[in-house]
Amino acid sequence: DQQVKQNSPSLSVQEGRISILNCDYTNSMFDYFLWYKKYPAEGPTFLISISSIKDKNEDGRFTVFLNKSAKHLSLHIVPSQPGDSAVYFCAASASGGYQKVTFGTGTKLQVIP
Amino acid sequence: KAGVTQTPRYLIKTRGQQVTLSCSPISGHRSVSWYQQTPGQGLQFLFEYFSETQRNKGNFPGRFSGRQFSNSRSEMNVSTLELGDSALYLCASSPDGDRLSSYEQYFGPGTRLTVT
Repeated sequence: DQQVKQNSPSLSVQEGRISILNCDYTNSMFDYFLWYKKYPAEGPTFLISISSIKDKNEDGRFTVFLNKSAKHLSLHIVPSQPGDSAVYFCAASASGGYQKVTFGTGTKLQVIP
Repeated sequence: KAGVTQTPRYLIKTRGQQVTLSCSPISGHRSVSWYQQTPGQGLQFLFEYFSETQRNKGNFPGRFSGRQFSNSRSEMNVSTLELGDSALYLCASSPDGDRLSSYEQYFGPGTRLTVT
């Protein structure tokens, strides 16, 4: 059972435009969400996170939005740059103990110059 | 600080053999997690070790095992290899697990295992 779903395996965006990557989850116990970026031949790197007490978190060009009622989160990249081309993984965990982190299947973003 | 290191980077094994992968976490990190990445499946959680104890375990068969040493270095072992075990195995370390920031994991480059 895939508790964290990224339904779009790939996304292409023009340089300078907004990239929106989506993620849905099913486990209502999840209350901490993270996005990772992965380049080929490298491990994933942490990008941005959000706690369920917030509905938005910004870090430079990256903003994560959380809609708890819809169990949906999204990552916005504005403006998109060619160096953003990578696979993006959404991840989630439940706090209140030493819970594992559950990852989605990833979305491959291509930013076209 | 040096990042997470994994050895070897590439490995080719035959069905039925066993394999041991190694991971050295970032200095000071006591939690080490292992993931399997295959196309279309994302990162599947294998297990997590903290202070030499397995703290969490994913839904993998008993052929997959691991351990952590007193210096936080970790190894994972896969016995009786199957073709389906071909994957990228990623190790991640994180700080002490009593803060939300501990969920922000630092990944190594992975070990690419090919089973023929």
